[in-house]
Amino acid sequence: EAEVAQSPRYKITEKSQAVAFWCDPISGHATLYWYRQILGQGPELLVQFQDESVVDDSQLPKDRFSAERLKGVDSTLKIQPAELGDSAMYLCASSGFGRGNNEQFFGPGTRLTVL
Amino acid sequence: DQQVKQNSPSLSVQEGRISILNCDYTNSMFDYFLWYKKYPAEGPTFLISISSIKDKNEDGRFTVFLNKSAKHLSLHIVPSQPGDSAVYFCAAQTGTASKLTFGTGTRLQVTL
Repeated sequence: EAEVAQSPRYKITEKSQAVAFWCDPISGHATLYWYRQILGQGPELLVQFQDESVVDDSQLPKDRFSAERLKGVDSTLKIQPAELGDSAMYLCASSGFGRGNNEQFFGPGTRLTVL
Repeated sequence: DQQVKQNSPSLSVQEGRISILNCDYTNSMFDYFLWYKKYPAEGPTFLISISSIKDKNEDGRFTVFLNKSAKHLSLHIVPSQPGDSAVYFCAAQTGTASKLTFGTGTRLQVTL
């Protein structure tokens, strides 16, 4: 069964350090999303890619966060420097493109703890 | 501005009975609604969805009802099973391949 892969599953870092998360979407899925979920809340979109292009990064804190999807397949989300408030679950999702492709399929997430 | 609201943080139901989870939204531009189930330390799993042109969609034990005039949807699980115990998120989107706007979730506990 096709799945979205993410690594690492858990990351502990000290504030001001750099961290990076990786996501490999379901094969053939053109659209890739990074969401952040803070404890007790629902996931919120950070950035959306269509192939290698950014479609929506309006909620991405661009002073410290960056995301790329260079070949339109896998993607990396980076935080530099990490702050205490960045502690959260970072979720990657993918979907097909075009009519009828509404469902998004999520990976297992990366739990980030900033000390 | 919470555009998707799940006002019940938790719900406890006996095994075999019906579970009803509710969701309200404020944005009339939403045209597709989804329910996700989430276990601790895992990503959300897609459960069932409904287009705004329909008022009901059924898949096995799961049925979603949409009341557009009230901007309300509900997920019915019948019969409830212990394995259904999880956090359920309601989500909405405007158009295909657009971001999901999530509610804050309802924790369902199915007791024996």
